[in-house]
Amino acid sequence: GAVVSQHPSWVICKSGTSVKIECRSLDFQATTMFWYRQFPKQSLMLMATSNEGSKATYEQGVEKDKFLINHASLTLSTLTVTSAHPEDSSFYICSASGQGSSGGEQYFGPGTRLTVT
Amino acid sequence: SQKIEQNSEALNIQEGKTATLTCNYTNYSPAYLQWYRQDPGRGPVFLLLIRENEKEKRKERLKVTFDTTLKQSLFHITASQPADSATYLCAVYNFNKFYFGSGTKLNVKP
Repeated sequence: GAVVSQHPSWVICKSGTSVKIECRSLDFQATTMFWYRQFPKQSLMLMATSNEGSKATYEQGVEKDKFLINHASLTLSTLTVTSAHPEDSSFYICSASGQGSSGGEQYFGPGTRLTVT
Repeated sequence: SQKIEQNSEALNIQEGKTATLTCNYTNYSPAYLQWYRQDPGRGPVFLLLIRENEKEKRKERLKVTFDTTLKQSLFHITASQPADSATYLCAVYNFNKFYFGSGTKLNVKP
């Protein structure tokens, strides 16, 4: 089946620093990648949708200058949390769809736990 | 916009019984609806997809139904096992994006 990886799986950073999270589709070409954040016992909240080679589309309320998304190739998308603050601490999950998904399935990465101190 | 409602209370059932989880959406009928399994600290895993013109879909011990009149999907796990214990998420696809419910936690007791 389609496999999506994320790196790192967890990260602790100091307030004011930037953190980059990578999302890779390992065995298929992801034409579209999605970035979500999830708080404990809550739903996944879509942050942005990115298509390879074009600018990401951000959801209302998500600061595009704070959460930089780059989808440089059909197998890699990155999310950079700039000038992180404690309220940015969350579980960030990417998903991908594309040639490996025939009916619209998304394949999720394992998630990245970000803790900002 | 779209709002997805899933029972926030955990569902506790005995091993071997059938678990039934409910997903309701409030507004527009989605092109398709999906169910995912999520274990603690992990990303969701895709289980089943059902389209708006389909009434029922099956995969091994899993069954999904879709009633556009009731704006509801039911997710069934037959002959449940302790290994089925997890949180199950419902997601609908509208307006070129996915809307997720907050999930229902299933506990299958041996």
